Amino acid sequence: EAGVAQSPRYKIIEKRQSVAFWCNPISGHATLYWYQQILGQGPKLLIQFQNNGVVDDSQLPKDRFSAERLKGVDSTLKIQPAKLEDSAVYLCASSLSGGGRSETQYFGPGTRLLVL
Amino acid sequence: AQSVTQPDIHITVSEGASLELRCNYSYGATPYLFWYVQSPGQGLQLLLKYFSGDTLVQGIKGFEAEFKRSQSSFNLRKPSVHWSDAAEYFCAVVVPDTGRRALTFGSGTRLQVQP
Repeated sequence: EAGVAQSPRYKIIEKRQSVAFWCNPISGHATLYWYQQILGQGPKLLIQFQNNGVVDDSQLPKDRFSAERLKGVDSTLKIQPAKLEDSAVYLCASSLSGGGRSETQYFGPGTRLLVL
Repeated sequence: AQSVTQPDIHITVSEGASLELRCNYSYGATPYLFWYVQSPGQGLQLLLKYFSGDTLVQGIKGFEAEFKRSQSSFNLRKPSVHWSDAAEYFCAVVVPDTGRRALTFGSGTRLQVQP
């Protein structure tokens, strides 16, 4: 079974530029998550989708970050304009989310963003 | 406040020695509990998980964890560490029946293995 795919793996941009990340979850997984992991910290949720609807975006800086999940499968996360403090690893995860053990989340390799 | 605590930021053990990484949580109900490992430049790999039932959980790579309700803990153990176990380890929780399925992570414990 294929895992969670993410691209690009690395991105370097200058502040005030825009950037987009892409995620393809495990086939059949209803829930998709984007996490931000700043160096030396644990990942923190940015946004959670259930199928193509947003469940939780309370931690998403909506003045600069946006995300969508078209047709309930792939998702893109965009930052515009980027700030220095956005330098982090952006992790995508997915889960079946039918309750109980299906809540297990599987992570992609992440996209490492450096803002100069 | 609800939280996940990993008290040890950095641990160094000798190869072949036993390992215990600590995790404590502070939630009203017993959450679902997870341990993930992250090697340099890699994503997060699930080691093991606890939902209910037997409090001693076996995972991959020879790891196990024990859930202790009285201590609100879910410590990760391995009887004999290998050099390839050097990585960052994260404890994480999901609080069931809240509608919020996102993981809340501890701050991580970096494991260094000496030859």
